[in-house]
Amino acid sequence: DAGITQSPRHKVTETGTPVTLRCHQTENHRYMYWYRQDPGHGLRLIHYSYGVKDTDKGEVSDGYSVSRSKTEDFLLTLESATSSQTSVYFCAISRLAEGNTGELFFGEGSRLTVL
Amino acid sequence: AQRVTQPEKLLSVFKGAPVELKCNYSYSGSPELFWYVQYSRQRLQLLLRHISRESIKGFTADLNKGETSFHLKKPFAQEEDSAMYYCALRARYSGGGADGLTFGKGTHLIIQP
Repeated sequence: DAGITQSPRHKVTETGTPVTLRCHQTENHRYMYWYRQDPGHGLRLIHYSYGVKDTDKGEVSDGYSVSRSKTEDFLLTLESATSSQTSVYFCAISRLAEGNTGELFFGEGSRLTVL
Repeated sequence: AQRVTQPEKLLSVFKGAPVELKCNYSYSGSPELFWYVQYSRQRLQLLLRHISRESIKGFTADLNKGETSFHLKKPFAQEEDSAMYYCALRARYSGGGADGLTFGKGTHLIIQP
């Protein structure tokens, strides 16, 4: 499982409230990612990080922000949750920076429902 | 920008029948291609990478650059193969490549007894 844990695993919240999802890894990988998974859309990249305090936007970044103050933690924040952000969120790491092939290893997912 | 297309949302076959899950991509450079599998409500797991030319759980996939395809095949389906399957591409740049994978929309494979 590449030492990835996500929290919370399940959350129900109301429209307009802030939400933070946490991804924690134990293997010191540089590259970390947040994807969302929706029926009919597959997985879409929200944000990614290539090091501490180094982040960039993905395909569907509107309404989301991220922070990476430590190698092991990558936080995804919804400043004001909307119903369209109801989804399953997956964190992933890559071992590419350590000289491996470019596949991603995923966490178990965080299921978010915005009412 | 790169794109991955999985034309079948749902594929249903009988146990013991051959399976082929289609994946086509568009990318002007040299891609790195993968197949992932996701069993019900679990994390995505890497199934195959084209670089390794391996066979996992009886599945194989060959990269066809001429047809820009990376179809997943298995000669005899088993009930435990029922799952979501995603094809994914990494665009290989000279400068690094931290920007993740592009996924297709997935194919739900159902193996009927």
